[in-house]
Amino acid sequence: DTGVSQDPRHKITKRGQNVTFRCDPISEHNRLYWYRQTLGQGPEFLTYFQNEAQLEKSRLLSDRFSAERPKGSFSTLEIQRTEQGDSAMYLCASSPLSGRASYEQYFGPGTRLTVT
Amino acid sequence: KNQVEQSPQSLIILEGKNCTLQCNYTVSPFSNLRWYKQDTGRGPVSLTIMTFSENTKSNGRYTATLDADTKQSSLHITASQLSDSASYICVVSAGSGTYKYIFGTGTRLKVLA
Repeated sequence: DTGVSQDPRHKITKRGQNVTFRCDPISEHNRLYWYRQTLGQGPEFLTYFQNEAQLEKSRLLSDRFSAERPKGSFSTLEIQRTEQGDSAMYLCASSPLSGRASYEQYFGPGTRLTVT
Repeated sequence: KNQVEQSPQSLIILEGKNCTLQCNYTVSPFSNLRWYKQDTGRGPVSLTIMTFSENTKSNGRYTATLDADTKQSSLHITASQLSDSASYICVVSAGSGTYKYIFGTGTRLKVLA
């Protein structure tokens, strides 16, 4: 499978616990994005990486959220001290830096987080 | 404020019928507009992308139109199939950076046999 993959697909956690999600982008895609999507809404931008550099963070990304892309390949999104309001689908997308395909973002299947 | 609004919020049609989904946007500067299909519990998949100079783009039974003057787009689905049941999301890219995506809330389409 050469698409964007995310792990886990589903995560149920208790309020106050920490969770970490992983995203593996399409090989050689320099750009990587994280989004959050709540039920009935479109995805909301969280953060953007170009290679290993985190170039932009949304105001939605509170201090409890941190994202990394240490080697410019896979990325992790960690949520500390989860709250019920964090329950959502977390989507990862990637795109190349140049060429016509750079206009597209290719999305992974998402990680569904439920905080009880 | 950059916004993308879609209508209707939800739609139910019979298999074989056509339908048209609407998207109005107030995004500046405008770069491109795309329509995504999102099946329940899955990530969005791109259907079409249009730049400022394009006013129609087809992908099989899907045809998207863009009127950059009125800032409106539509997605027309011809001869609907059960597999078309999904959310359709209009996304506008602002500026030259592809990460500046403004998403609509989507239209949830259900096709009945």
